[in-house]
Amino acid sequence: AQTVTQSQPEMSVQEAETVTLSCTYDTSESDYYLFWYKQPPSRQMILVIRQEAYKQQNATENRFSVNFQKAAKSFSLKISDSQLGDAAMYFCASGGGADGLTFGKGTHLIIQP
Amino acid sequence: DAMVIQNPRYQVTQFGKPVTLSCSQTLNHNVMYWYQQKSSQAPKLLFHYYDKDFNNEADTPDNFQSRRPNTSFCFLDIRSPGLGDAAMYLCATSSGYYEQYFGPGTRLTVT
Repeated sequence: AQTVTQSQPEMSVQEAETVTLSCTYDTSESDYYLFWYKQPPSRQMILVIRQEAYKQQNATENRFSVNFQKAAKSFSLKISDSQLGDAAMYFCASGGGADGLTFGKGTHLIIQP
Repeated sequence: DAMVIQNPRYQVTQFGKPVTLSCSQTLNHNVMYWYQQKSSQAPKLLFHYYDKDFNNEADTPDNFQSRRPNTSFCFLDIRSPGLGDAAMYLCATSSGYYEQYFGPGTRLTVT
């Protein structure tokens, strides 16, 4: 069984600033992936970033990067130079292969202009 | 280009009246998933198909069924919807590796 915990129901950041969203997980799998998905209001879920658990190097995608601490089972998302379009619900998720994803409860990110 | 398409986007049904939600994909992915997402909650996996192999989650109610007639299409059938089944239903696909691609969802209202 897998569990994903997001302890920040809501975060607020000023436009152009940096924000970090926290996520911890637990899994019995030896091979798994971790994801951050973004779900804007009334819009579909889209992938922000993916991390393979066997890779030590932290994934980056433009302004988005992760801090993956495997031993601590921690997987945080850093958003640099926050933009108004980043406002959304952010879900941390774990899974592997063809299995479904286990999601955290989400963090509502607010961007202050 | 639409990759995972869900129809309809909004569905209203009456208590106890069967309803079918549709999902199609242009990605030719092996795996298709159905998630239920209630208001302000995380998506919860109901079941998934790996090709024609059906995999049901242990806590998915019997009221929920699924069909996958071919690679491109997958259906979610709710046999007797209750008020508690009102939710957003998300379809997703995967190659069996890496990430899942989500459709826009169908918002189901039960009156």
